[in-house]
Amino acid sequence: GEDVEQSLFLSVREGDSSVINCTYTDSSSTYLYWYKQEPGAGLQLLTYIFSNMDMKQDQRLTVLLNKKDKHLSLRIADTQTGDSAIYFCAESISGGSYIPTFGRGTSLIVHP
Amino acid sequence: GAVVSQHPSRVICKSGTSVKIECRSLDFQATTMFWYRQFPKKSLMLMATSNEGSKATYEQGVEKDKFLINHASLTLSTLTVTSAHPEDSSFYICSARAPTGQGVTPLHFGNGTRLTVT
Repeated sequence: GEDVEQSLFLSVREGDSSVINCTYTDSSSTYLYWYKQEPGAGLQLLTYIFSNMDMKQDQRLTVLLNKKDKHLSLRIADTQTGDSAIYFCAESISGGSYIPTFGRGTSLIVHP
Repeated sequence: GAVVSQHPSRVICKSGTSVKIECRSLDFQATTMFWYRQFPKKSLMLMATSNEGSKATYEQGVEKDKFLINHASLTLSTLTVTSAHPEDSSFYICSARAPTGQGVTPLHFGNGTRLTVT
């Protein structure tokens, strides 16, 4: 299996909350990231969490980390059409010079 | 915030020609930059790590003679796709780490270059 796994698609209604899930395999992951990619653009860092944290909140974004299950989630509250994009989960470890390993990305589709 | 600029955003070239893509860190110095390639519905694949003033480090399976990387200054890395073929058509993205002096910082990405080889 892949090092970082995500479901490929998520569809939500505007105004609802979106939860994008990610699992990783390396228990020595030090940093875990969420990036957003809009069509034809590069990756925009949304947020990241250090492995000794369980939760991080930044405005509409909430990141939850379950180290025991190696599970990371990104919750977007009050999802808007402008949130439609691909969301990438990534992990990095000290042994890998902290170069992140990415999942395949989750396409979030927000419909009215 | 840290800004990484990539140019051009889109390029179409004929098979057999070479194409150069530039990656610049606009408001910080980057001793290391990273070049990724993104395939449709696939994750980002790290191609190489570009090191200022020294040779790039290529990932396994990436041809260093085909994908030439030059990191001549602390703010500029270039990727040259030599003798391009249609299978080289892809989305290439560069990234760099902005130093903060406080532990490891995440990568900041350019907007990518869509290469189409006809």
